[in-house]
Amino acid sequence: AQSVTQLDSQVPVFEEAPVELRCNYSSSVSVYLFWYVQYPNQGLQLLLKYLSGSTLVKGINGFEAEFNKSQTSFHLRKPSVHISDTAEYFCAVSASNNNDMRFGAGTRLTVKP
Amino acid sequence: NAGVTQTPKFQVLKTGQSMTLQCAQDMNHNSMYWYRQDPGMGLRLIYYSASEGTTDKGEVPNGYNVSRLNKREFSLRLESAAPSQTSVYFCASSGPGQGIYNSPLHFGNGTRLTVT
Repeated sequence: AQSVTQLDSQVPVFEEAPVELRCNYSSSVSVYLFWYVQYPNQGLQLLLKYLSGSTLVKGINGFEAEFNKSQTSFHLRKPSVHISDTAEYFCAVSASNNNDMRFGAGTRLTVKP
Repeated sequence: NAGVTQTPKFQVLKTGQSMTLQCAQDMNHNSMYWYRQDPGMGLRLIYYSASEGTTDKGEVPNGYNVSRLNKREFSLRLESAAPSQTSVYFCASSGPGQGIYNSPLHFGNGTRLTVT
């Protein structure tokens, strides 16, 4: 089955600084990749998804991610973060041959003033 | 439009007790899922239902049972709760169509379960 590794469990940054949250995946078949965000005491919400086509994907709240097949990565970036971006971010992967979406362990982004 | 609704929001059980977590969606989605979230482990799939009338095991099904009651509702049952089942449980749905391979998930707000 496919798997996901989020390389950083916590990322502290100052407001208006750029941020990158790293995600690597493993799969023997073609994949679909997602980033979700979870605010305190809430369920997860979709930030963006890569299904096919352009490897640079833009999502909500100014986030974007780039699919890199050769490096099996799908890193999430934002050029300038806000306090309100403080949340936990999950990378997820599903494969074209099953119904099992696998999640990474999550990265807690903390934006400091 | 409520989306995915889970009940209850909080529950405390003693070891050996049973309970059912309820989930309903109003988006006419075919597929529904139960995940558990534990610190440092992300979300792990317990069971899913690709369509009404079908259910399949996910990554961590032991100790759980599910029922896809109709297209809207998908319940998760703990027959004999154990402390290892202390977790936050999320129900999710996706659609249209069957399967989640290219459909994002819509999540409920979770049920926080403590087993003492």
